[in-house]
Amino acid sequence: EVHLVETGGGLMQAGGSLRLSCAASGFTISSNYMTWVRQAPGKGLEWVSVIYTGGGTYYADSVKGRFTISRDNSKNTLYLQMNSLRAEDTAVYYCARGVFGSSSDYGFDYWGQGTLVTVSS
Amino acid sequence: QSALTQPASVSGSPGQSITISCTGTSSDVGGYKYVSWYQQHPGKAPKLMIYDVSDRPSGVSTRFSGSKSGNTASLTISGLQAEDEADYYCSSYTSSSTYVFGTGTKVTVL
Repeated sequence: EVHLVETGGGLMQAGGSLRLSCAASGFTISSNYMTWVRQAPGKGLEWVSVIYTGGGTYYADSVKGRFTISRDNSKNTLYLQMNSLRAEDTAVYYCARGVFGSSSDYGFDYWGQGTLVTVSS
Repeated sequence: QSALTQPASVSGSPGQSITISCTGTSSDVGGYKYVSWYQQHPGKAPKLMIYDVSDRPSGVSTRFSGSKSGNTASLTISGLQAEDEADYYCSSYTSSSTYVFGTGTKVTVL
């Protein structure tokens, strides 16, 4: 059974750094693309970053240059290194699994429960 | 990377059908068939309802269907039920190899 568990959230001061982890089980993260999505309190979903099977990484403009997505295949774990945190980064951060087929994108089919990051100014 | 545009709210009575629109550009919705829809109940993680514009994952009710015309995708919920009351988000792959979500739509069952 597929499971994703995010950890690492907490209360941080603006300008600080935090690393989120997403431990995966039931599948191999390197065989799928993995993404981070966040949701500020009372707001909608915002796509943050993706790492593709080949290792390519992409970011939303709002976090580019400050956040880094990575994975440890040996630990089957996805990470999000967040630097220069701002108050507007306050949100629940979800990791999700994506699946590409030969001509299909099967969407973000499994999600973690989310971890709350609060940045105080 | 502007969010896709969705109506803030849509409502309907039990048994009715409702449609939620999702408008983007030729660089996202209009350029690819990689449009997905997600349902989110309060305090819960999103759930995939539709992928590739109109395909349903295993286990998702056939009352949910998707379509696309030009730069606008749509999600239709037929035979509306109380359990369908939730927030709904569209998502699209983009020409920059990124993804973008819609602004979200709150569905209310009257």
